[in-house]
Amino acid sequence: GEDVEQSLFLSVREGDSSVINCTYTDSSSTYLYWYKQEPGAGLQLLTYIFSNMDMKQDQRLTVLLNKKDKHLSLRIADTQTGDSAIYFCAALFNDYKLSFGAGTTVTVRA
Amino acid sequence: EAQVTQNPRYLITVTGKKLTVTCSQNMNHEYMSWYRQDPGLGLRQIYYSMNVEVTDKGDVPEGYKVSRKEKRNFPLILESPSPNQTSLYFCASSITGTGATEAFFGQGTRLTVV
Repeated sequence: GEDVEQSLFLSVREGDSSVINCTYTDSSSTYLYWYKQEPGAGLQLLTYIFSNMDMKQDQRLTVLLNKKDKHLSLRIADTQTGDSAIYFCAALFNDYKLSFGAGTTVTVRA
Repeated sequence: EAQVTQNPRYLITVTGKKLTVTCSQNMNHEYMSWYRQDPGLGLRQIYYSMNVEVTDKGDVPEGYKVSRKEKRNFPLILESPSPNQTSLYFCASSITGTGATEAFFGQGTRLTVV
């Protein structure tokens, strides 16, 4: 299937910025998403970006898309302990198939 | 409250004993899908359904069946479970399968096959 790759772990100090990176293989992906999974819960959509955009900002979240390099990143400003979770990058292929990365476990330390 | 409900949340079963995991959504969504989540592999799609009576294989369909007889329900059936199907399963639904529609996920079903 289509590949979406992301690093598995990130440790960040409370108050710092977190940056989670993701790469995908299919340049025809139309939408790219970031989902958050808290312990024992399902996934929740954090934000998404359409492929013709370079950047999207939503409060503490900034998504950057480099379509040429097929690279997506999620920046969380002023990271809080409540941001500790697994973050999944996902890409929409063929207009209906959502492919997920392996997830990045973010640990926020005091 | 808009939600996707899966049952059971936890299940331990023995090899070969047929089981069904139910999934129900109350949002009148057309698109539903099943994923399994394994460490280091993320979520992999098992089956999806674009609408009633329309189902198709995802990336890892072997050993699973689904049905979509009505819009709200999308059960996942394991006819003869094996230990390699031990995993965390998620059902998801969205208005359609396309575009910037948000996928809503259930709470997950942790299945152990011994």
